[in-house]
Amino acid sequence: KQEVTQIPAALSVPEGENLVLNCSFTDSAIYNLQWFRQDPGKGLTSLLLIQSSQREQTSGRLNASLDKSSGRSTLYIAASQPGDSATYLCAVRGTGANSKLTFGKGITLSVRP
Amino acid sequence: GAGVSQSPSNKVTEKGKDVELRCDPISGHTALYWYRQSLGQGLEFLIYFQGNSAPDKSGLPSDRFSAERTGGSVSTLTIQRTQQEDSAVYLCASSSHKTGLGGYTFGSGTRLTVV
Repeated sequence: KQEVTQIPAALSVPEGENLVLNCSFTDSAIYNLQWFRQDPGKGLTSLLLIQSSQREQTSGRLNASLDKSSGRSTLYIAASQPGDSATYLCAVRGTGANSKLTFGKGITLSVRP
Repeated sequence: GAGVSQSPSNKVTEKGKDVELRCDPISGHTALYWYRQSLGQGLEFLIYFQGNSAPDKSGLPSDRFSAERTGGSVSTLTIQRTQQEDSAVYLCASSSHKTGLGGYTFGSGTRLTVV
């Protein structure tokens, strides 16, 4: 059974810091990994999608890497801003025909002005 | 439509009543998921539809929960005889490929409060 872990559960940093959010998963047989952002009381917004054959994806100040063999992904946020404050979730899609999208519990990020 | 649409956005119901939550996926998306997110908790898988295949109902917490997807498009999640522990945000997601090749797009959710 796939398990996705995100540690720590919460993180507080001063504005301007570069930071790394970690995600680990137990079963390396995945199709892809996706990072989402969730603002309080809102749905999920997709940030980056990495296919199993890819090593990283970039969008603006965000960079996500994937090391499938070790079961790890990182989301790098450059020059953090207060507007980056949100909960960040990673999710993996297994390779089985009926595999589900499995989520971590998320990391709640607070960027202090 | 351009995104996944869920309705209603908020629902307050009395304990014991039945509720129906609706999800309108992106046109052409064959895969559709329902998740539940309770206060302070992670996303809990409920049910997965893929094309015309039998749905994966393994995440439904009790037989009070059911879901259907008509014509491979709109899905309805029904909760019968609601209980207070059913209070949560119910999220729907769709994907264009059975493997999630293009990633998943989520709706804004329905916040259900059972009083």
